[in-house]
Amino acid sequence: DIQMTQSPSSLSASVGDRVTIACRASETISTSLDWYQQKPGKAPNLLIFAASNLQTGVPSRFSGSGSGTDFTLTISSLQPEDFATYYCQQSYSIPFTFGPGTRVNIK
Amino acid sequence: EVQMVESGGGLIQPGGSLRLSCAASGFTVNNNSLSWVRQAPGKALEWVSIIFPAGGTYYADSVKGRFTISRDHSKNTLYLQMNSLRAEDTAVYYCVKGYCSGHRCYSGTFDSWGQGTLVTVSS
Repeated sequence: DIQMTQSPSSLSASVGDRVTIACRASETISTSLDWYQQKPGKAPNLLIFAASNLQTGVPSRFSGSGSGTDFTLTISSLQPEDFATYYCQQSYSIPFTFGPGTRVNIK
Repeated sequence: EVQMVESGGGLIQPGGSLRLSCAASGFTVNNNSLSWVRQAPGKALEWVSIIFPAGGTYYADSVKGRFTISRDHSKNTLYLQMNSLRAEDTAVYYCVKGYCSGHRCYSGTFDSWGQGTLVTVSS
C-alpha cells in the first residue's frame, strides 16, 4: 500500500498569512494527488484534484503543485473560513490512502 | 444537484452486523464509481471500499471478507453490509462519489460526500 505523510501535523497562522502544507507519497503516484478540507463535524470537501487542478467553486487562493512523490498545498492569503484540517490523498492505486491531516489553527 | 444521504448507523455489539444505506439523487449510482470512506473519532480518513460502474468491487484489507459493497439501481442506493463488527470499526461512515469531468473520470477522487452516519461497536 502507498503510505502518505504530511507536514506539519499542525500550524498556527494569522489571517492574511501564506500557508504551505507538504505531502509525500511512499512511492511515485504521478499527479494522482487530491487535497480535501474538513471542518469540525462536517464531511470533507474536495479542493484540488490531480495535484494542481482547482475544483469548481473553490477560491483561487488555494493552489496545489507537485508530481511523483512530493506535493504542496498553498493558501496564498489565509481567510477566517480556512481554519480547518487538510488531508492529502493518493488516487493512483487501490487501496486509496489519505495522509494523517494538517490542522490549521488561528494564531 | 448531487445529494447523498447515509442511514443505518447506530450502536452494535462486537460480532454483530449492520447495513448502511446511501440514497443518491442528482446522478445514477450505476453510472458512477462510488466508495465508502470512514473516520474514527479524532482520527484521519480511511478508504473502505469501492464499486465501479461495471460492478467490480475492492476493499481495504482491514474489512476484506467482512464488508460487502453493493448498489440497487431501482432505488438509486448504495449499500455497505458490515458483518463481524469489531471495536476498531467504530467510525463515521461516508458514502462518496468519484469525480467525473466531461469524459474523464477519476474514480479515487471524491467530489461529493454524504453527511456521514456514525457506527459505534461496543458492548
